[in-house]
Amino acid sequence: GDSVTQMEGPVTLSEEAFLTINCTYTATGYPSLFWYVQYPGEGLQLLLKATKADDKGSNKGFEATYRKETTSFHLEKGSVQVSDSAVYFCALILNQAGTALIFGKGTTLSVSS
Amino acid sequence: DGGITQSPKYLFRKEGQNVTLSCEQNLNHDAMYWYRQDPGQGLRLIYYSQIVNDFQKGDIAEGYSVSREKKESFPLTVTSAQKNPTAFYLCASSMSAGELFFGEGSRLTVL
Repeated sequence: GDSVTQMEGPVTLSEEAFLTINCTYTATGYPSLFWYVQYPGEGLQLLLKATKADDKGSNKGFEATYRKETTSFHLEKGSVQVSDSAVYFCALILNQAGTALIFGKGTTLSVSS
Repeated sequence: DGGITQSPKYLFRKEGQNVTLSCEQNLNHDAMYWYRQDPGQGLRLIYYSQIVNDFQKGDIAEGYSVSREKKESFPLTVTSAQKNPTAFYLCASSMSAGELFFGEGSRLTVL
């Protein structure tokens, strides 16, 4: 079935370090891909998205490129801040009516000063 | 302000009791969703509704029930048939596919 696999955490970095969180997917069709972020004690917020191959989503210094050939959507940021500490979820949705988002298990990021 | 409101934020239930979690949205979104979040398991879909008076089971619907009588409201009932109900429950709504707006969640603990 359709699924999303994320690297296991926690990921622990120092402030201003480079971040990569790996995400790969399996899908029967051509999905749209998303990254969501969850800050402590809150619900999830959409961080960025890409709807077709080679699209790059970006927001708040984070980027991810939709790679169809490697079925990947890795999240990157050049210089993390303490305020980026959160849980990050990769997700996909098939571009068909009546389907719902499928989430990965989440990766916890902890940034120290 | 527009958004999703979940209540209560914390709820305690005795074994054998049904409880209902409230979810209200004023974003005029057609679709609404309920997810369950457990440590290390990510989010799992319980039920979703694309339109009023219609809803579909997600991956873990057993032991749960929902209704969608109004566009703004999508309450979730956790029944006594749910074997392990202690979890964090998240409600969301969307207008376009994949772009979900989430509430702040309800944490249910079974005593």
